[in-house]
Amino acid sequence: AQTVTQSQPEMSVQEAETVTLSCTYDTSENNYYLFWYKQPPSRQMILVIRQEAYKQQNATENRFSVNFQKAAKSFSLKISDSQLGDTAMYFCAFMKHVGGGATNKLIFGTGTLLAVQP
Amino acid sequence: GAGVSQSPSNKVTEKGKDVELRCDPISGHTALYWYRQSLGQGLEFLIYFQGNSAPDKSGLPSDRFSAERTGGSVSTLTIQRTQQEDSAVYLCASSFSSYGFDGGYTFGSGTRLTVV
Repeated sequence: AQTVTQSQPEMSVQEAETVTLSCTYDTSENNYYLFWYKQPPSRQMILVIRQEAYKQQNATENRFSVNFQKAAKSFSLKISDSQLGDTAMYFCAFMKHVGGGATNKLIFGTGTLLAVQP
Repeated sequence: GAGVSQSPSNKVTEKGKDVELRCDPISGHTALYWYRQSLGQGLEFLIYFQGNSAPDKSGLPSDRFSAERTGGSVSTLTIQRTQQEDSAVYLCASSFSSYGFDGGYTFGSGTRLTVV
């Protein structure tokens, strides 16, 4: 079974600074996908960034980038130039690649609450 | 609709009562998922619907939980004889296909269920 671990329950960063959120996972699969989701107080989960395991290049989306270390099963999220609107719960998630219409369920970590301080 | 709609937004019920939670997915999305988010926990998979296929119920925690999806659109999650440990936020998500690996899940804002 796959598991996702986020060892930082809470983090704080000053506005305009850079922060890195950690995530490790455990799987015997070779073909899978990794995601970071943001959950603001509105409760709606918003996709921040995704990474395909077969790609060596780290994904980047504007101020958000990841450090994907497949051998170490590590998938950290770096937020540059932090903004007040980045304050939210951040979840790391894993999805096994399957075919034949089988469930592609997301497996989530327990989350990191990020507070951006003015 | 423009997004995934869930109702009610909040629900308080007495222990032992039955509750129904509703999810209205994005029009055209064939895949629909229910997750449960307990305080301090990540999201726990409950059930998955894909088109006309039999649902994957492997995540339902007990036989008090059931879900249906009518006409491939609206889904209802029913919890019978609610217990205090059922208190959580129940999130629904939909996706264009079963191969949601593009991250193309759209989540609703959830229903916060409180059992007193």
